[in-house]
Amino acid sequence: EADIYQTPRYLVIGTGKKITLECSQTMGHDKMYWYQQDPGMELHLIHYSYGVNSTEKGDLSSESTVSRIRTEHFPLTLESARPSHTSQYLCASSAPGTHQPQHFGDGTRLSIL
Amino acid sequence: QKEVEQNSGPLSVPEGAIASLNCTYSDRGSQSFFWYRQYSGKSPELIMSIYSNGDKEDGRFTAQLNKASQYVSLLIRDSQPSDSATYLCAVYDSGYALNFGKGTSLLVTP
Repeated sequence: EADIYQTPRYLVIGTGKKITLECSQTMGHDKMYWYQQDPGMELHLIHYSYGVNSTEKGDLSSESTVSRIRTEHFPLTLESARPSHTSQYLCASSAPGTHQPQHFGDGTRLSIL
Repeated sequence: QKEVEQNSGPLSVPEGAIASLNCTYSDRGSQSFFWYRQYSGKSPELIMSIYSNGDKEDGRFTAQLNKASQYVSLLIRDSQPSDSATYLCAVYDSGYALNFGKGTSLLVTP
């Protein structure tokens, strides 16, 4: 069973605020991912990392940024939140090697007023 | 991006019946295939993985893979109302990217 933690679970905040969504995993997984998913819609990959100091943008353009300073930690930051950022943000990780399944955290549901 | 196609549904089956969920993929070089279950408002949960042609069984779940036809399916036997969820097919393409389908919504009616 994967141990991947996201905080906060829910966040309601006003426009213009800086937001950081936290994601941590305790399994030593080298690969980590951020997805965005609106209710009833498909997953969209917005960022991924294959290791410390490695970050890449995903398939969906996002105004968010990420960092990977430690293996276990992959935070996502929005410098100035807008209502269009309202969505569910899912963090995932996968073990070293090719073709490993991704394991997801519980997600952060973000609402920007 | 390589394509992973699923019928969006909803697929409705009566309790106790077999639910059959299907997925096709475009990259013939794909090697690894996964099924995730996602309840409404929750995150995806890995339920099956399959790497070789044929069937793989785990409890009430059977994954079937046919690489020649580029087709992977998930059978759920003795379907229960608690199986009602969206099922996501995920495929690693030859470029080592994991591509998710849009998911099939399953409704099991009592």
